[in-house]
Amino acid sequence: DTGVSQDPRHKITKRGQNVTFRCDPISEHNRLYWYRQTLGQGPEFLTYFQNEAQLEKSRLLSDRFSAERPKGSFSTLEIQRTEQGDSAMYLCASSERGGRGETQYFGPGTRLLVL
Amino acid sequence: AQSVTQPDIHITVSEGASLELRCNYSYGATPYLFWYVQSPGQGLQLLLKYFSGDTLVQGIKGFEAEFKRSQSSFNLRKPSVHWSDAAEYFCAVGAPQGGSEKLVFGKGTKLTVNP
Repeated sequence: DTGVSQDPRHKITKRGQNVTFRCDPISEHNRLYWYRQTLGQGPEFLTYFQNEAQLEKSRLLSDRFSAERPKGSFSTLEIQRTEQGDSAMYLCASSERGGRGETQYFGPGTRLLVL
Repeated sequence: AQSVTQPDIHITVSEGASLELRCNYSYGATPYLFWYVQSPGQGLQLLLKYFSGDTLVQGIKGFEAEFKRSQSSFNLRKPSVHWSDAAEYFCAVGAPQGGSEKLVFGKGTKLTVNP
């Protein structure tokens, strides 16, 4: 068990460019979550997957954001036409089945800076 | 809507001193409560969680937390702080909504430990 991994760890991009982040959950974890953390704030929920199905999206997830989890394994989060307000840490978490009170295990995050 | 309040943005303690970090939540049903720790540039690590039973919960690294329903609080404590405990601490409530089990986080408390 190597934990949740995320790639890249850091990304600097220019406004208007597209970026894609990858998350590899703990093996055989069915649930995968994306959160966003801005400076001085706690993480905020963006979206989650149960296996390959995306079941909920936050209002924070504008039309420029898209997330996928093909085959129910790794997930990608793409941001199109980035804006400076997208600068944040993007955190991925996974849990085994999604039961009540179940622990979510977090990855190290991808820190995005939009210039 | 669920919410978590961490009243202290920044706390400074001396090494060896006791520590208490405050957390108040707002949630209509039985809460699932978590404390996570985040070291600089890192993801979140679970310290402990509460979802039923004994209201005093033991966690890793010598931390404990007490759930007080009457005060809507879940304060984190440690009897003797070590320099390695310097980090940011987040309280979160599990918010099962539509089955998502998403976490709602407070804004965090940054802990500085003086030698």
